[in-house]
Amino acid sequence: DQQVKQNSPSLSVQEGRISILNCDYTNSMFDYFLWYKKYPAEGPTFLISISSIKDKNEDGRFTVFLNKSAKHLSLHIVPSQPGDSAVYFCAASAILTGGGNKLTFGTGTQLKVEL
Amino acid sequence: DTGVSQDPRHKITKRGQNVTFRCDPISEHNRLYWYRQTLGQGPEFLTYFQNEAQLEKSRLLSDRFSAERPKGSFSTLEIQRTEQGDSAMYLCASSSRKDNEKLFFGSGTQLSVL
Repeated sequence: DQQVKQNSPSLSVQEGRISILNCDYTNSMFDYFLWYKKYPAEGPTFLISISSIKDKNEDGRFTVFLNKSAKHLSLHIVPSQPGDSAVYFCAASAILTGGGNKLTFGTGTQLKVEL
Repeated sequence: DTGVSQDPRHKITKRGQNVTFRCDPISEHNRLYWYRQTLGQGPEFLTYFQNEAQLEKSRLLSDRFSAERPKGSFSTLEIQRTEQGDSAMYLCASSSRKDNEKLFFGSGTQLSVL
């Protein structure tokens, strides 16, 4: 049972345009949502997060939008740059015993930014 | 600024052998996590430590897997009697008290079981 879904395995955009990556989830108990970027043969790198009590968080070129009623979040990258080409993972956080956080990841979206 | 460090980066072993991986978290982080990632999937949670205490284990973690974090610093993940299905990227992550929802990952250990 996939609790976090990224339905687009790949996305191609032109340099300078907006990239929009989407993610859906099923569990209303998730308290944070995060986006990670991953290059081949490296671990995921944290990009941006949003609390479940917010609907938008912005950090430079990256903005995450959360629609709790639709159980949907999206990552907007504008303007897109060739260096943004990577796999992007959406993750949802749930509290563990002792206050840690268990992240449940989607299957990722390969973003390619073309010149 | 040292991030999460994992060793080795790659491990090739024969089926039935034991392997051990090491993780050094970011120094001020008290929580440490192990995840596993297979091709085409996102990382999956295996286990979690707060300081030296192992507080949660996934049902993905069979009896052949054991993890330790002596003295609440580095951690080791051992797989006994490896099987071909254990082939995966093993990722370690750590988080701080302040922003504990943000996990910072190492580069991983890529395990290939022949």
